[in-house]
Amino acid sequence: QSALTQPPSASGSPGQSVTISCTGTSSDVGGYNYVSWYQQHPGKAPKLMIYEVSKRPSGVPDRFSGSKSGNTASLTVSGLQAEDEADYYCDSYAGSNNYVFGTGTKVTVL
Amino acid sequence: EVQLVESGGGLVQPGGSLRLSCAASGFTFSSYAMHWVRQAPGRGLEYVSAISSNGGSTYYANSVKGRFTISRDNSKNTLYLQMGSLRAEDMAVYYCARERGGHYYDRWGQGTLVTVSS
Repeated sequence: QSALTQPPSASGSPGQSVTISCTGTSSDVGGYNYVSWYQQHPGKAPKLMIYEVSKRPSGVPDRFSGSKSGNTASLTVSGLQAEDEADYYCDSYAGSNNYVFGTGTKVTVL
Repeated sequence: EVQLVESGGGLVQPGGSLRLSCAASGFTFSSYAMHWVRQAPGRGLEYVSAISSNGGSTYYANSVKGRFTISRDNSKNTLYLQMGSLRAEDMAVYYCARERGGHYYDRWGQGTLVTVSS
């Protein structure tokens, strides 16, 4: 199972929006509404930000939103804040108890 | 409070073995499928293995199939990963994670580092 494709980096100024793409295939992203997104600060464990494409766990700011079109999922962070600077990973269920992560995107707040 | 605490990482020679543990607390451990996910230094996340809530079903990434064994003891609220025939490419921080029904991980441990080197 190949990793989902994410851009290596993305950036924006405080208050701006940044969107991260996550491209897979019809066997993973396109085949299931089971895409999730994780935020990881250096040296820390990943934290769930979005699940089932667009649902937000309690405690995650509504500045974070998710969507999907075909084989590509997206995470948008609106109103960027300094604490949003981190690595972000998408993840998709790929059937038969297989899971595949994205390659990861480093978000920089300028 | 939900907590997952990994242990058992350390330095091991190529070809060696190691057993990781993940102690769970703050939730009904036996009700959840559990996973191991790893992250090599400076690299991304990689799914390693999963086990159903009752331990009856196990799943592995192709990269570890035949070398790693996942298990759990629901009476001890503990998840395990027995790793054998370790290779340099197995060197990583290993996280245990709780799976929710929508195939996502809502809780993660802090990770334990496995170093494979002679």
